[in-house]
Amino acid sequence: KNEVEQSPQNLTAQEGEFITINCSYSVGISALHWLQQHPGGGIVSLFMLSSGKKKHGRLIATINIQEKHSSLHITASHPRDSAVYICAVRSEVYGGSQGNLIFGKGTKLSVKP
Amino acid sequence: ETGVTQTPRHLVMGMTNKKSLKCEQHLGHNAMYWYKQSAKKPLELMFVYNFKEQTENNSVPSRFSPECPNSSHLFLHLHTLQPEDSALYLCASSQDRAETQYFGPGTRLLVL
Repeated sequence: KNEVEQSPQNLTAQEGEFITINCSYSVGISALHWLQQHPGGGIVSLFMLSSGKKKHGRLIATINIQEKHSSLHITASHPRDSAVYICAVRSEVYGGSQGNLIFGKGTKLSVKP
Repeated sequence: ETGVTQTPRHLVMGMTNKKSLKCEQHLGHNAMYWYKQSAKKPLELMFVYNFKEQTENNSVPSRFSPECPNSSHLFLHLHTLQPEDSALYLCASSQDRAETQYFGPGTRLLVL
């Protein structure tokens, strides 16, 4: 079982729809990241969060540390939002050192006009 | 030029070839990373350099050899690769190990 699970694996939406992508993890973490990967391969970091909620434009990310769960929401989706969305967690490492990022397999989103 | 750049963007090589991937960052970051992304699999960390020193080798076969001559440049030297090494190789950098990572566009490698 992967330490970071995302759902759904694939998602098709109509333009304008509200979209939710989920991420569950099984390890103790110091931070969680949401990343966006476009078909060409380049990856862009969207959010880094360790508690609560962050918003940037039409994107909202939330995290529940107790439940080890995070969601990425896209409001008023647009075809240009079509990409793979990747959840990654930074594991806790005791003794002051930083853990590495552990990645989910990604959610492929396709928004149709 | 800003951000993280990688060259070449595409590479086809035979199993007996030797080639190198180059990564360059103009962000003043201290940490640099090599990742491998294979189809249907999560990103896998290969190597981490912090202040030009290798701090992580994630059980990577010796046919992959990293080099970090200075804090702005990172290389991945490839020799006698196998077809299963075909993947997208991504470089990233961050101010320090705990901060947001900035990714390059990747090198798509095909080993014949």
